[in-house]
Amino acid sequence: GAVVSQHPSWVICKSGTSVKIECRSLDFQATTMFWYRQFPKQSLMLMATSNEGSKATYEQGVEKDKFLINHASLTLSTLTVTSAHPEDSSFYICSARDLRGETQYFGPGTRLLVL
Amino acid sequence: DAKTTQPPSMDCAEGRAANLPCNHSTISGNEYVYWYRQIHSQGPQYIIHGLKNNETNEMASLIITEDRKSSTLILPHATLRDTAVYYCIVRVFTGTASKLTFGTGTRLQVTL
Repeated sequence: GAVVSQHPSWVICKSGTSVKIECRSLDFQATTMFWYRQFPKQSLMLMATSNEGSKATYEQGVEKDKFLINHASLTLSTLTVTSAHPEDSSFYICSARDLRGETQYFGPGTRLLVL
Repeated sequence: DAKTTQPPSMDCAEGRAANLPCNHSTISGNEYVYWYRQIHSQGPQYIIHGLKNNETNEMASLIITEDRKSSTLILPHATLRDTAVYYCIVRVFTGTASKLTFGTGTRLQVTL
């Protein structure tokens, strides 16, 4: 149980294009989902917290107009990287917290490469 | 959330117990201790969490000192597949504002 999936697992795109990453909680409902970013040899950095049906809360320094987050249902959140640039190349990981709020489960990550 | 301090790296022989320490001297009374691990190029995997009592599950044991200022994650019989970065995180349990903030973790290398 408690599986979180992400799609796609790998994406390569040209500079200036937009990329959408999906995050799904497969066997539980999640009122809260989180998006993290991880650069090589660094730890995970929280980008934003999204609650189902409301606007996401972004961490300081994260551009909300560049990283669009939608959490339309209790099992799906999406992250759209708009007008991607090479410096946006990173490992993006989503996480979902179960309804009790006790545990956060992580997806396998999406590796984005912007050329 | 309180900060945690972990050694940057540790080695462990396969089949032996791996004991990973974590200091969280500024932990508050309502903060839980969580352990996650990240195997290379994968998302973090939940291991265990606790408040003040020792906890055990199929993956590991968590020992929390009586004053709650430190804890130890124990992998009883480490295997090569346990090689990963282990993160100790303290987190307020309730509320939508609570979130996991990752430090640098301990890189555990299990060797033959």
